[in-house]
Amino acid sequence: QKEVEQDPGPLSVPEGAIVSLNCTYSNSAFQYFMWYRQYSRKGPELLMYTYSSGNKEDGRFTAQVDKSSKYISLFIRDSQPSDSATYLCAMSGKSGGTSYGKLTFGQGTILTVHP
Amino acid sequence: DAGVTQSPTHLIKTRGQQVTLRCSPKSGHDTVSWYQQALGQGPQFIFQYYEEEERQRGNFPDRFSGHQFPNYSSELNVNALLLGDSALYLCASSLVGAVNQPQHFGDGTRLSIL
Repeated sequence: QKEVEQDPGPLSVPEGAIVSLNCTYSNSAFQYFMWYRQYSRKGPELLMYTYSSGNKEDGRFTAQVDKSSKYISLFIRDSQPSDSATYLCAMSGKSGGTSYGKLTFGQGTILTVHP
Repeated sequence: DAGVTQSPTHLIKTRGQQVTLRCSPKSGHDTVSWYQQALGQGPQFIFQYYEEEERQRGNFPDRFSGHQFPNYSSELNVNALLLGDSALYLCASSLVGAVNQPQHFGDGTRLSIL
């Protein structure tokens, strides 16, 4: 069983829709949770970062972490064609007293927003 | 503000050869991590370098080795290349001890093994 499970999709939605992306994990040591967006032939771009449980909002994006259920989500409101990309969840625990060590990624969800 | 830069962008090798990939971290960052991303998969952690030493290592064979230089730039070396080594190799940088500053990625080197 993988440490981080993410539905690979693909997910296709109309412009303006609310998109929900999810990941589950099994490692209780994870404390830092991230969402990256990756366009074709590009590296992952950090979208959202959350420490421990809770919600975080940034513009059209909202990240939620439920550590008790080992479940994280990313919501995209008013989705745009430019949001079409692969979305990767990533998480890490503390490493040697620093905040960020090895990132463990989900498989990625391919999202297409059509006009 | 220069982000993470990687070179070359694309490389073609044959089985058994050796390859070196290069990474310059984002300005102000001192830690470099390397990841392998196979087609249709999420990145897999190879190793992380800080203060010119390997601090953490993922589940990769010894054919994968690295180095960090005093200016924080880094190299990834892969020996005895296999067809399965074909992937996008990503470099990420961060700052040790920095709060709320996760890893930033470059655009990667796409390695094709023939």
